Amino acid sequence: GAVVSQHPSRVICKSGTSVKIECRSLDFQATTMFWYRQFPKKSLMLMATSNEGSKATYEQGVEKDKFLINHASLTLSTLTVTSAHPEDSSFYICSALGNNEQFFGPGTRLTVL
Amino acid sequence: GENVEQHPSTLSVQEGDSAVIKCTYSDSASNYFPWYKQELGKRPQLIIDIRSNVGEKKDQRIAVTLNKTAKHFSLHITETQPEDSAVYFCAARHNNAGNMLTFGGGTRLMVKP
Repeated sequence: GAVVSQHPSRVICKSGTSVKIECRSLDFQATTMFWYRQFPKKSLMLMATSNEGSKATYEQGVEKDKFLINHASLTLSTLTVTSAHPEDSSFYICSALGNNEQFFGPGTRLTVL
Repeated sequence: GENVEQHPSTLSVQEGDSAVIKCTYSDSASNYFPWYKQELGKRPQLIIDIRSNVGEKKDQRIAVTLNKTAKHFSLHITETQPEDSAVYFCAARHNNAGNMLTFGGGTRLMVKP
């Protein structure tokens, strides 16, 4: 099946700093990628839909200035958590749409101290 | 928008027994229903899916049934094994939603040897 990578796999940062997470489709082109957030023992909550070459569509309640999404190429989307705070600590997972199916990245565990 | 409910939230079975997880959805326009298995700290993996033009699909020990009239679908795992222990998520999607998936709350399945 199609492969999606995510980098970094885990990151620890100080409060107030920004963190960038990369999502790449390795063997296919993805015009659409999705960013999810997952709290411990909870379901995947869609944060935004990222379309190559256009602005991301954010779900209700997700601050677009806080979670900056850039989908500059058909194989790369980035999520930047700006001015991170401890409440932003979570597991962030991306997925890329290929052949009408979503393929998930391995996730990034963000811990904000 | 779409709302997906999943039950039970936890399920414990003895090895060799069957496990059934049920989901309901609200949007009658949804036409694609995938099931994902997520092991601790890892990415969700698609295990089986069903489209609205069929009522049942089977793949070895895993089967999914869909009742469009009642708007519910179920995952059936037979002859469970300890390695089936994981969190399972159902999801629903319709094409008018830009291929966006709405996830159920998840079911933690524990298979006791």
